[in-house]
Amino acid sequence: QSGLTQPPSVSGAPGQRVTISCTGSNSNIGAGYDVHWYQQFPGRTPKLLIYGDSNRPSGVPDRFSGSKSDTSASLAITGLQAEDEADYYCQSYDNSLSGHVVFGGGTKLTVL
Amino acid sequence: QMQLQESGPGLVKPSGTLSLTCTVSGGSVDTNAYYWGWIRQPPGKGLEWIGSVFHTGDSYYSPSLKSRVTISVDTSKNHFSLTLTSVTATDTAVYYCARVQLPQYWFVPWGQGTLVTVSS
Repeated sequence: QSGLTQPPSVSGAPGQRVTISCTGSNSNIGAGYDVHWYQQFPGRTPKLLIYGDSNRPSGVPDRFSGSKSDTSASLAITGLQAEDEADYYCQSYDNSLSGHVVFGGGTKLTVL
Repeated sequence: QMQLQESGPGLVKPSGTLSLTCTVSGGSVDTNAYYWGWIRQPPGKGLEWIGSVFHTGDSYYSPSLKSRVTISVDTSKNHFSLTLTSVTATDTAVYYCARVQLPQYWFVPWGQGTLVTVSS
């Protein structure tokens, strides 16, 4: 089953900028399907962070931004804060195998 | 504010059938605006989409689970359900239900999740 590839972990110091990549293929991101991002704290429910490639739901700080190009997408976090330490997942739609939803494997963000 | 709540047994025996229900409050499942989905997360691992259902009963599933999964909807009870057959220990996970925003297909809101353990 096709999926999306994320780095297992990223880290950064408070105040820094970090990016999390999400690599797909021509049947999902490359086909033009939107990418969405979720933030999950340990033991908690995933929270929608970015939808439609680059849109923030109400209440999400503008320190979080999303972008997409070709078969990849990225989540950027600026002005890193200790409270940003969490797992981040990308998600899209894939038109292979009769169509299905795909998630990235998740990225653990550590604030140093 | 729409809320979703999963319910069902927390323990299922190997080779048995896992059955969960997601009850929706603050809105109706009987709408053309959304699909309704199930996602799971094994302990310490990432998110896996299981499948989704429309209010008409139209459903589609993860290719890797398709042979064992059924997702149905009951508009009279305002809930939708998941059935997973022939379970093994690898099906142990937190199971989430969520509303699926159309047409771009993102998940919000989510239920709080329920842990289902497959063990004898």
